[in-house]
Amino acid sequence: KAGVTQTPRYLIKTRGQQVTLSCSPISGHRSVSWYQQTPGQGLQFLFEYFSETQRNKGNFPGRFSGRQFSNSRSEMNVSTLELGDSALYLCASSPGGQPRETQYFGPGTRLLVL
Amino acid sequence: AQSVTQLGSHVSVSEGALVLLRCNYSSSVPPYLFWYVQYPNQGLQLLLKYTSAATLVKGINGFEAEFKKSETSFHLTKPSAHMSDAAEYFCAVSENYGQNFVFGPGTRLSVLP
Repeated sequence: KAGVTQTPRYLIKTRGQQVTLSCSPISGHRSVSWYQQTPGQGLQFLFEYFSETQRNKGNFPGRFSGRQFSNSRSEMNVSTLELGDSALYLCASSPGGQPRETQYFGPGTRLLVL
Repeated sequence: AQSVTQLGSHVSVSEGALVLLRCNYSSSVPPYLFWYVQYPNQGLQLLLKYTSAATLVKGINGFEAEFKKSETSFHLTKPSAHMSDAAEYFCAVSENYGQNFVFGPGTRLSVLP
């Protein structure tokens, strides 16, 4: 099976713009989670989607949003970008979204905000 | 909320030496625990996980970890380090609902020739 794919891999934006990142989970996986990774804050959970519904949400402002489509593909959107949004954004998928399941991570999208 | 601590942001070992990466968690109930490895410019790869079966868990690449409830620890070990083990290692705990991992800050492992 193909792994988790994320597009684009690299992105440069300027402050105030918005950005949309895409994630395609492993075939058959219904849960998709998003994480932000920065040198200062480490890996932080953004949100999780399961069967097109947001099931969990981390402590991020409303500028960060996401959605999941019927084929389980997911997108996350960041509006009004700030310099501090520069990070590696990782997507992970799992079959049934249970706590004991392994999350399989994609390679990430590296976002640079200038 | 659960939290994970990893003692030592950077650990250096000689090739062939024992690798010990520490992880402690805070949880009032038995958690699900994971170790992931991240190589430069890549995503995270699962090394091993504890899901309340055997307390000694064996993973890929010769790594293993022991769950110790009394110490709330899940330390990662490998008997003999290899140059290819140089990477960043993350310990994570899974919340009790859905998929919401809480990660530790990570430990960067350097392997010296």
